[in-house]
Amino acid sequence: AQSVTQLGSHVSVSEGALVLLRCNYSSSVPPYLFWYVQYPNQGLQLLLKYTTGATLVKGINGFEAEFKKSETSFHLTKPSAHMSDAAEYFCAVSEQGGSEKLVFGKGTKLTVNP
Amino acid sequence: NAGVTQTPKFQVLKTGQSMTLQCAQDMNHEYMSWYRQDPGMGLRLIHYSVGAGITDQGEVPNGYNVSRSTTEDFPLRLLSAAPSQTSVYFCASSYSGPGLGDTQYFGPGTRLTVL
Repeated sequence: AQSVTQLGSHVSVSEGALVLLRCNYSSSVPPYLFWYVQYPNQGLQLLLKYTTGATLVKGINGFEAEFKKSETSFHLTKPSAHMSDAAEYFCAVSEQGGSEKLVFGKGTKLTVNP
Repeated sequence: NAGVTQTPKFQVLKTGQSMTLQCAQDMNHEYMSWYRQDPGMGLRLIHYSVGAGITDQGEVPNGYNVSRSTTEDFPLRLLSAAPSQTSVYFCASSYSGPGLGDTQYFGPGTRLTVL
């Protein structure tokens, strides 16, 4: 069965600083990997996903993530934080051709300070 | 398209009461699922369905029932509510499911409190 670990339940950065949110996964078969964002009192929306092909994936709002198989990681980055990036971010994994279950990490709440 | 809709937005129940959380989508998606979100726990899968007439259990199915009689609707039933079921519930859908890497589209959520 697959699992996800997100290091750091809270991350705080200054506006304009680098954003780095960490995600490590476990999967017995090749994974599909996702980052979702949740703004206060809203549902989740997709930021980006890795399925196959290029391991550096670009998403919405300037975010990107790199799939590193050797490190079983899929960390999310953004070069320059904006106040509007304040939200909770969830990493998720599913198994290629496996069970139809999407497993989420516990989330990282990002605070952006002016 | 309305996307994924959930009703009600808020609900307060007493222990032992039953209720149904409604979820509907108008995108002709085959895959639908229910999650609960609790502080510090992320989202945990309750039940999912890969098509009308087919449902399966997720990580935390106890205390919840589902059925899928149409492609559009996927209601979640609490048979006898308990305080441990106090949570925010999200419904999600996609065309072909996470096993093929499909993006999940989430509803706005139902905030349930069980006293």
